[in-house]
Amino acid sequence: AQTVTQSQPEMSVQEAETVTLSCTYDTSESNYYLFWYKQPPSRQMILVIRQEAYKQQNATENRFSVNFQKAAKSFSLKISDSQLGDTAMYFCAFMKHGSYNTDKLIFGTGTRLQVFP
Amino acid sequence: SQTIHQWPATLVQPVGSPLSLECTVEGTSNPNLYWYRQAAGRGLQLLFYSVGIGQISSEVPQNLSASRPQDRQFILSSKKLLLSDSGFYLCAWSTMGDTQYFGPGTRLTVL
Repeated sequence: AQTVTQSQPEMSVQEAETVTLSCTYDTSESNYYLFWYKQPPSRQMILVIRQEAYKQQNATENRFSVNFQKAAKSFSLKISDSQLGDTAMYFCAFMKHGSYNTDKLIFGTGTRLQVFP
Repeated sequence: SQTIHQWPATLVQPVGSPLSLECTVEGTSNPNLYWYRQAAGRGLQLLFYSVGIGQISSEVPQNLSASRPQDRQFILSSKKLLLSDSGFYLCAWSTMGDTQYFGPGTRLTVL
């Protein structure tokens, strides 16, 4: 069974600085997706970034980028130029790529990020 | 563009009462649909998923059930609520094997 581990329950960063959130996962699959979702105080889960395991290039979305190390099964999220609106709970998630009825998301326990002015 | 709606946004119910939470998706056809529960301060737990009308798969045996009466409608129900059913319920959709997008959620408190 797949597992996702986020070892940092809480982190803080000053506005405009850079912060990196860690995520490791365990799987025997070779083809899968990895995601970072953000959950602000409103509690809606918002997709931040997605990585396909077969792609060697790290995904980037504006100020958000990932460091995907497939051999090490590591998937960290880097937030550059942190903004107050980045304050949220961040969840790392894994999904096996395959037949449509196996697209279940496996979530980590989350990292609470606080951005200070 | 696709949008996903959930209602009600907030619900307070007594123990033993029935429950019906609704989720609808607009702007896509034949989506995969999901119900998740998030207990306070914890991650998400997948409860049910559906790949088509009338097709429901349960992930966790519990007091809840799900139905999909229409292509873009997903309903979470209970005949008798328990205290342990309290939590935040999220609906999500995806196209086959791809990214899941979440609704705004329903906060359920069982007293």
